[in-house]
Amino acid sequence: DAGVIQSPRHEVTEMGQEVTLRCKPISGHDYLFWYRQTMMRGLELLIYFNNNVPIDDSGMPEDRFSAKMPNASFSTLKIQPSEPRDSAVYFCASSFRQGPYEQYFGPGTRLTVT
Amino acid sequence: AQKVTQAQTEISVVEKEDVTLDCVYETRDTTYYLFWYKQPPSGELVFLIRRNSFDEQNEISGRYSWNFQKSTSSFNFTITASQVVDSAVYFCALRISPSGSARQLTFGSGTQLTVLP
Repeated sequence: DAGVIQSPRHEVTEMGQEVTLRCKPISGHDYLFWYRQTMMRGLELLIYFNNNVPIDDSGMPEDRFSAKMPNASFSTLKIQPSEPRDSAVYFCASSFRQGPYEQYFGPGTRLTVT
Repeated sequence: AQKVTQAQTEISVVEKEDVTLDCVYETRDTTYYLFWYKQPPSGELVFLIRRNSFDEQNEISGRYSWNFQKSTSSFNFTITASQVVDSAVYFCALRISPSGSARQLTFGSGTQLTVLP
């Protein structure tokens, strides 16, 4: 079975540009999570969805960040405009609503904003 | 609020040594789940194990074993006969209220394990 798929794997962009990260969760999973990992702050939860509905976006750092989940198999995290401090690895994860609660992570997108 | 502490920032061992990674958690909830994840140099996060708060049985999987003790709020991870391929950052994580709406994982800061040949 395919795991969580993220694209692109690497993104280099200039400050002020719009960045869109994409995620395809594991088929059948009800929950989708977006995390950011930096050396300074470790792993931080940005937002998560249940059945395509955002449940908690308190981790989204600023209004420049937005996330959508138009259907059960696709989610985007958008940064507009991007800033150098947004440079990080962004992970998407998914899990079932019932039964095992562990989250399965995608390979991550390494974002560099120059 | 919940918190996970991994006091060991970096550990270095020689191959075939046993090594224990410590994890201490804080939560007021009586029902919670604990997890360990591995992040190898390639960067992905790999799920290793889940433990729920009402099951204190220790678990062994090959060279890996986990010791869960509610009395000390600890969930330690031991690798026996370590190998170079075990070199990675290991994260302990906590999740509360599995039957409620809160689904967030609270991660520790991670322990960088280096196994030298």
